[in-house]
Amino acid sequence: DGGITQSPKYLFRKEGQNVTLSCEQNLNHDAMYWYRQDPGQGLRLIYYSQIVNDFQKGDIAEGYSVSREKKESFPLTVTSAQKNPTAFYLCASGGRETQYFGPGTRLLVL
Amino acid sequence: EDQVTQSPEALRLQEGESSSLNCSYTVSGLRGLFWYRQDPGKGPEFLFTLYSAGEEKEKERLKATLTKKESFLHITAPKPEDSATYLCAAGGTRGRDDKIIFGKGTRLHILP
Repeated sequence: DGGITQSPKYLFRKEGQNVTLSCEQNLNHDAMYWYRQDPGQGLRLIYYSQIVNDFQKGDIAEGYSVSREKKESFPLTVTSAQKNPTAFYLCASGGRETQYFGPGTRLLVL
Repeated sequence: EDQVTQSPEALRLQEGESSSLNCSYTVSGLRGLFWYRQDPGKGPEFLFTLYSAGEEKEKERLKATLTKKESFLHITAPKPEDSATYLCAAGGTRGRDDKIIFGKGTRLHILP
């Protein structure tokens, strides 16, 4: 059953804490993406990776970090430097044809 | 600057009342226009990709069309289960890489 999985569904962050969001895909896509979605705004690109061991900053990369050690996995870390982390985070994979999205992780600040 | 604008922001229709959602785009080197459906609290679900002006694609009660400046998502005789946010996105380039620019979406509510 091919697709993209994200975990956890909900994540709570305490002030000053780094948290990591998981994204796994078994669609054999080279490219993977992380977006942030806020109410009333379009999807904003945080980071993307076109190939293993390489990634690029998107439009709002400050306060976030990623790694791409395996083709299937693209975890996102929300660091303490991100002052407004509350949002819905979406992972996607795909390429020129289109992108396919995971179910999302909602990050809340305690 | 590459941009995708969707209108209206929100639309309420009676069940069976057909209408259209608009997506205007300015993207250099357009390589595809994409439509997604997003239900509350879930990830976007891919609907269509359109590649060139004049192209049309259909899926159940939805039909997407494309011109050189706009795309329309036509909804024929909608049902309450068609209620969702519909996202439009345009594929362009970011340097050597591909990128997709998303609109803010149209929230569609179908009343029974």
